[in-house]
Amino acid sequence: GQGVEQPAKLMSVEGTFARVNCTYSTSGFNGLSWYQQREGQAPVFLSYVVLDGLKDSGHFSTFLSRSNGYSYLLLTELQIKDSASYLCAVPPFYAQGLTFGLGTRVSVFP
Amino acid sequence: EAAVTQSPRNKVTVTGGNVTLSCRQTNSHNYMYWYRQDTGHGLRLIHYSYGAGNLQIGDVPDGYKATRTTQEDFFLLLELASPSQTSLYFCASSDRRGNYAEQFFGPGTRLTVL
Repeated sequence: GQGVEQPAKLMSVEGTFARVNCTYSTSGFNGLSWYQQREGQAPVFLSYVVLDGLKDSGHFSTFLSRSNGYSYLLLTELQIKDSASYLCAVPPFYAQGLTFGLGTRVSVFP
Repeated sequence: EAAVTQSPRNKVTVTGGNVTLSCRQTNSHNYMYWYRQDTGHGLRLIHYSYGAGNLQIGDVPDGYKATRTTQEDFFLLLELASPSQTSLYFCASSDRRGNYAEQFFGPGTRLTVL
């Protein structure tokens, strides 16, 4: 079946890094997306990955391992404003929308 | 100017009431989506459309109708609202086969069914 799993919470310190993990299961793989959602706001697209390996986008980087059904979002040089929920999403084989994980709430402390 | 807008932003209705949520996008995108977001369930796809007059069923369509009148406008209809439909509703659009493309979300409509 289709499923996306993420840890519920993650805490880290300003200036360091945070790694948000995502595991997924899907019948057929067609890429994985990451979104940021601040409290009370809409999700905002961050990154899309379809090839194995690390994709460096500066402040945000993403890693994908298709054989393991695993991805992570790496946030470096954390700032307080990076405190938000980070959502992992994959397309289901039966529809053109996205199946989202519940999201990981990242809290960045001084 | 926001590319995806939703109205109303907040709505309160009673059980059995009739509600229409509106979404407009100015991105010239073909695909539009309706999601609901609930604590413990995350974002779930209700309906989507790939063009005017088209409607596709998502993961949680029961109790919802939708209509895409133009490329810009997508409506979500709750004809007999129930308390289980109390939720935060998001509309989104994308410009390709939306299964993986970047989706642009509206600000959301918070619906309360008493």
